[in-house]
Amino acid sequence: GNSVTQMEGPVTLSEEAFLTINCTYTATGYPSLFWYVQYPGEGLQLLLKATKADDKGSNKGFEATYRKETTSFHLEKGSVQVSDSAVYFCALSAGGSYIPTFGRGTSLIVHP
Amino acid sequence: DSGVTQTPKHLITATGQRVTLRCSPRSGDLSVYWYQQSLDQGLQFLIQYYNGEERAKGNILERFSAQQFPDLHSELNLSSLELGDSALYFCASSVALGVNDEQFFGPGTRLTVL
Repeated sequence: GNSVTQMEGPVTLSEEAFLTINCTYTATGYPSLFWYVQYPGEGLQLLLKATKADDKGSNKGFEATYRKETTSFHLEKGSVQVSDSAVYFCALSAGGSYIPTFGRGTSLIVHP
Repeated sequence: DSGVTQTPKHLITATGQRVTLRCSPRSGDLSVYWYQQSLDQGLQFLIQYYNGEERAKGNILERFSAQQFPDLHSELNLSSLELGDSALYFCASSVALGVNDEQFFGPGTRLTVL
């Protein structure tokens, strides 16, 4: 079946540090890959997505590249801000299913 | 603001009781999804409706049921509540059934079972 594995958190960084949150997946066929973000007290919202191999999704300074050879979709940001503190979820849709499979989420805490 | 509304925001009830959670999708979205989020289980997909019909079922207990009405709002009914049902319940909506369709999440209903 489909599965998503994310690095465990929390990830704690100082403002302006470089961020990487690792995500690897197992899927049937060729999945579409997503990163969702959940700010405190809110629901999830789509951050970025990539629908085919070597695609790069980007939004708000965050980037992730769909790497088929390593089955990965790592989230990166060059310089984090305190306002980026949130929980980040990697997810995929595959095998003809539009129901996404979510990872467990990675909490990011950014200190001033 | 995602455009998805959920009521109530908080719900406190006792074991054995029954509650109903309500969700209104974004205008124009035909598909509604229900998720349960807890610390130990993470985000679990429960059930999905499309234009009034059930289309997919996930890890939904038999004590739970849902429906989508002609005006496309949806309700999740939880009965014979147990302490372990305490969680955040999210509703999400999407335009249709595409694998690339973005899901828009509501703010959630926090259920506490005492």
